[in-house]
Amino acid sequence: ETGVTQTPRHLVMGMTNKKSLKCEQHLGHNAMYWYKQSAKKPLELMFVYSLEERVENNSVPSRFSPECPNSSHLFLHLHTLQPEDSALYLCASSQGTSRTTSGSRDTQYFGPGTRLTVL
Amino acid sequence: GIQVEQSPPDLILQEGANSTLRCNFSDSVNNLQWFHQNPWGQLINLFYIPSGTKQNGRLSATTVATERYSLLYISSSQTTDSGVYFCAVEKGSGTYKYIFGTGTRLKVLA
Repeated sequence: ETGVTQTPRHLVMGMTNKKSLKCEQHLGHNAMYWYKQSAKKPLELMFVYSLEERVENNSVPSRFSPECPNSSHLFLHLHTLQPEDSALYLCASSQGTSRTTSGSRDTQYFGPGTRLTVL
Repeated sequence: GIQVEQSPPDLILQEGANSTLRCNFSDSVNNLQWFHQNPWGQLINLFYIPSGTKQNGRLSATTVATERYSLLYISSSQTTDSGVYFCAVEKGSGTYKYIFGTGTRLKVLA
C-alpha cells in the first residue's frame, strides 16, 4: 500500500466512448503525475500538476484531458481513443511544491495503475 | 533530452544468487530513483539516491553522479524479487520531469 489509489483497475472501452480514470493520494503531497506504460516501452510522463496547477504537458493528444480539482485528486478524462492508446496508466504523487524543491521531497509514490484496453 | 539506459535488459537467477543492475544516464542529474514493478504492475520505490550509497535489507544502491551511473545490488535473491526494475532521473530539481529507463526484467527461480 503506497498511499495512492486508482480506479478503475481495469477498463475496456470502445473508440467512441467517454470514460475517466481517477487517482487519489492520502499522503498530503502537493504534486501529482500521470504516466503511460505501453508494452516494451519506458514509462512516459503525460501530465504533472503542482498545487492543482498544470506544470508539465508532454505533447499528449487532446483526446486525453487531465483535471486536478484539489491536491488529493487527479483525473484523466478519455474520449475517442485509439487502439494504440491501450496501456497501463499510472498515477503518482510527490511532496514537492516548487521548482526549488530538492531532496527526497521529489520521491514519487505510485498507484497500482489502470489497465486500459481500447477496442 | 537525457537518455537513460539500463542493463542487462533481462536476467534470470537461481534463488539465493546475487546480482547487479546498472543504470547509465547521458547528462548530469539532480535526482535518481530506483523502482521495482511487481508482476501486477505496482511500482514501489526502492531508493532515492542522487549520489552516494544506501542499503535497505538485501538491497543496496550506489550512484556515482560524476560518472553518470547508478548500480542496484540484490543479494540472496528471492522469488518475490521477480519483476522489472526501473531507474528514473530528474535533470533539474523540482522540475517534476522524470525520465525512466527501459528497465531490467528479473526472474528468480526457486
